[in-house]
Amino acid sequence: DTEVTQTPKHLVMGMTNKKSLKCEQHMGHRAMYWYKQKAKKPPELMFVYSYEKLSINESVPSRFSPECPNSSLLNLHLHALQPEDSALYLCASSQGTSGNLYNEQFFGPGTRLTVL
Amino acid sequence: AQSVSQHNHHVILSEAASLELGCNYSYGGTVNLFWYVQYPGQHLQLLLKYFSGDPLVKGIKGFEAEFIKSKFSFNLRKPSVQWSDTAEYFCAVNALRSASKIIFGSGTRLSIRP
Repeated sequence: DTEVTQTPKHLVMGMTNKKSLKCEQHMGHRAMYWYKQKAKKPPELMFVYSYEKLSINESVPSRFSPECPNSSLLNLHLHALQPEDSALYLCASSQGTSGNLYNEQFFGPGTRLTVL
Repeated sequence: AQSVSQHNHHVILSEAASLELGCNYSYGGTVNLFWYVQYPGQHLQLLLKYFSGDPLVKGIKGFEAEFIKSKFSFNLRKPSVQWSDTAEYFCAVNALRSASKIIFGSGTRLSIRP
């Protein structure tokens, strides 16, 4: 299984809502990532988890809260978002984050989020 | 800081034309290099990657790329494009000192005229 799955595929939420995005991989990868991609732009890294611990937070606002319950799952909890947070949210995983490993990242299909 | 430059923002070609998309990066150390493709409405897919060894790497769907260390470049090529190659192409670099972070270029939109 070389797939990263993400749910839901689409999400529409109001600015006062609380929602969560989910990501799952069964490749035994120990690093997982959240990216944000706006239309016609490259993905921007938000968070990195390595061995279920948060290792990188790219100065993301606290209305985005990541969680890694186990090595296969990654969540992104959303609360009090703004319309400008509307984007495609991509999850990715890789074998590890050590500089000695081939750090190919496998991407999921993304969740298209619209904030009203 | 690392950066990746893709100078061609939008490339328009006819079917069967040859393709070369430029990618330059700024980082003096050891790097891993990638080309990703994003077809309309689909997710990012890896086209090819360079980690070490032969600087000419072959990927899926007839694509290849050449790593030229002295020029800090990793250009993508395809001898004869097809309409189905219409997509957004992203070059990406991963500096091994900061192995968690992949830096993406701004992307090149490729449009193929049938």
